[in-house]
Amino acid sequence: GAVVSQHPSRVICKSGTSVKIECRSLDFQATTMFWYRQFPKQSLMLMATSNEGSKATYEQGVEKDKFLINHASLTLSTLTVTSAHPEDSSFYICSARDQLPTSGRALNEQFFGPGTRLTVL
Amino acid sequence: TQLLEQSPQFLSIQEGENLTVYCNSSSVFSSLQWYRQEPGEGPVLLVTVVTGGEVKKLKRLTFQFGDARKDSSLHITAAQPGDTGLYLCAGARDNFNKFYFGSGTKLNVKP
Repeated sequence: GAVVSQHPSRVICKSGTSVKIECRSLDFQATTMFWYRQFPKQSLMLMATSNEGSKATYEQGVEKDKFLINHASLTLSTLTVTSAHPEDSSFYICSARDQLPTSGRALNEQFFGPGTRLTVL
Repeated sequence: TQLLEQSPQFLSIQEGENLTVYCNSSSVFSSLQWYRQEPGEGPVLLVTVVTGGEVKKLKRLTFQFGDARKDSSLHITAAQPGDTGLYLCAGARDNFNKFYFGSGTKLNVKP
């Protein structure tokens, strides 16, 4: 099946620093990737849609200057949490949609990464 | 405000029991997906339903999409401890568009 990786898996940083999280599609190309945030014991909240070669589309209430998204290639999207604060501590998950799905895989099927646990002290 | 509401939020049952999880919305969806998520991991897709009234079976799991494509249900027969996890529904309002997740149902199956 399709594999999506995230790096790092865990990160602890001091308040005020910036943290970059990478999302990679390992065996397929993804023109579209999605970034989600999940607080403990809660569901996934869509933050933004990352589009290869163009600007990301942010959901209402998500600050684009706070959460910088770059999708420079068909297999990599990055999320940078700028000037992180303790309230940004969360589980960040990305997903990628296969641009050219193979037989048995739906065009709108998204494959999720393993997530990145961010803790801001 | 959650676009998709799931019920129940928590469910603790004994091995062998049956259960149903509901996913409801006032919006119409072009497609709806169900996922299962283990702690500290990303969600894993179980099924996608696209046609109103559609029923799909995956071993002991039965998924149904409402006729009006506003709701869905997940029924598990003879639950096993391995079914324990967070079950999430996710709906897309346009074809091939982004999916919004439901509030989640945490299932615990006791041996």
